[in-house]
Amino acid sequence: DTGVSQDPRHKITKRGQNVTFRCDPISEHNRLYWYRQTLGQGPEFLTYFQNEAQLEKSRLLSDRFSAERPKGSFSTLEIQRTEQGDSAMYLCASSPHTGGGTKNIQYFGAGTRLSVL
Amino acid sequence: DAKTTQPNSMESNEEEPVHLPCNHSTISGTDYIHWYRQLPSQGPEYVIHGLTSNVNNRMASLAIAEDRKSSTLILHRATLRDAAVYYCILRTGNTPLVFGKGTRLSVIA
Repeated sequence: DTGVSQDPRHKITKRGQNVTFRCDPISEHNRLYWYRQTLGQGPEFLTYFQNEAQLEKSRLLSDRFSAERPKGSFSTLEIQRTEQGDSAMYLCASSPHTGGGTKNIQYFGAGTRLSVL
Repeated sequence: DAKTTQPNSMESNEEEPVHLPCNHSTISGTDYIHWYRQLPSQGPEYVIHGLTSNVNNRMASLAIAEDRKSSTLILHRATLRDAAVYYCILRTGNTPLVFGKGTRLSVIA
């Protein structure tokens, strides 16, 4: 399977703990996006990378959130001191290139569901 | 980002065509109209996109109004596997996607 891979699929943690999620994009896709989705809502943009550079961060991304994409390959999203409000599905997507047409399609992973108790 | 308006839910019988509407009255000249869908327990999946002309692919057709202020996603023969939330999104270039709540499509056998 050469799609976007996310790990873990589910994470249960206690309030105040730190968690880290991993996303492996489709090979050679140079753009990588993180979204968050709560129940009954559409996904909300968090941040994105072009290669290893983090180009944009949403105001939803508080100081407790940090994302990295070393060497422009996989990416990690860390949440420090988790709160119950962080409970959500965290989705990762990748796209092949900047530009128009089919190169703009985003391919999503199945997500990591976080439950903060 | 320009906003889109979609019905909260729609229902269709299996093997019948489905027309999912989307209004985007504030669309700009550089906005493409994208449709994604999200099946239960999965990430969103690209369906189709277009700029001005109607578009067809193996999944669906996209009919775009002449003034571009509305569009319709057409599933020619709905199957149970098409039950999902369908999102209509306006997008310029390779910017992040801005999702609304979408339309939840139910397909009845």
